[in-house]
Amino acid sequence: GENVEQHPSTLSVQEGDSAVIKCTYSDSASNYFPWYKQELGKRPQLIIDIRSNVGEKKDQRIAVTLNKTAKHFSLHITETQPEDSAVYFCAAEGNDYKLSFGAGTTVTVRA
Amino acid sequence: EPEVTQTPSHQVTQMGQEVILRCVPISNHLYFYWYRQILGQKVEFLVSFYNNEISEKSEIFDDQFSVERPDGSNFTLKIRSTKLEDSAMYFCASRQVPYNEQFFGPGTRLTVL
Repeated sequence: GENVEQHPSTLSVQEGDSAVIKCTYSDSASNYFPWYKQELGKRPQLIIDIRSNVGEKKDQRIAVTLNKTAKHFSLHITETQPEDSAVYFCAAEGNDYKLSFGAGTTVTVRA
Repeated sequence: EPEVTQTPSHQVTQMGQEVILRCVPISNHLYFYWYRQILGQKVEFLVSFYNNEISEKSEIFDDQFSVERPDGSNFTLKIRSTKLEDSAMYFCASRQVPYNEQFFGPGTRLTVL
């Protein structure tokens, strides 16, 4: 089955700086890569996703890049704000339509 | 905006008891999922359900687990004889075919004593 690795496990950044989270996946058949943000005790919320036919996608301060050859994808958050503090999960989905999640990155934005 | 809902928000049960977790997916969605998240760990896939049958299931989803769509709106997860290690947050999710995005419910925290 699919195995998703996520790094780092924790990330502390100064407000206004950028944050980068990296994930790798094992199944070359995976073709959909969402990123979820989870605040304490809340449901995972989709913040951005990318499909395997594109290499990069941006939505305001958030961007995701995908390298299919290397089987890795990354989340970039620019101009971080305190409300960006949360746990971020990457995930991969193949033709079985089930999500395999990474272990999560706890992001803390210091004011 | 429509959301996935789940009840109860918290369920406490004794080891060996049966529990049923309930979900109401978004109304025009046809693909349903259960995931679980043990405290401090990643979200794990349990089962997917499409066209009134199980589509995929993980190794976690053994004979103690079952899913059902008893009517046109509810989607349930039953654990027949709970174990201590079943304590986790259980998330229901749904998806509109043919789109990929899965929408998660708020979760049910299951505590097995």
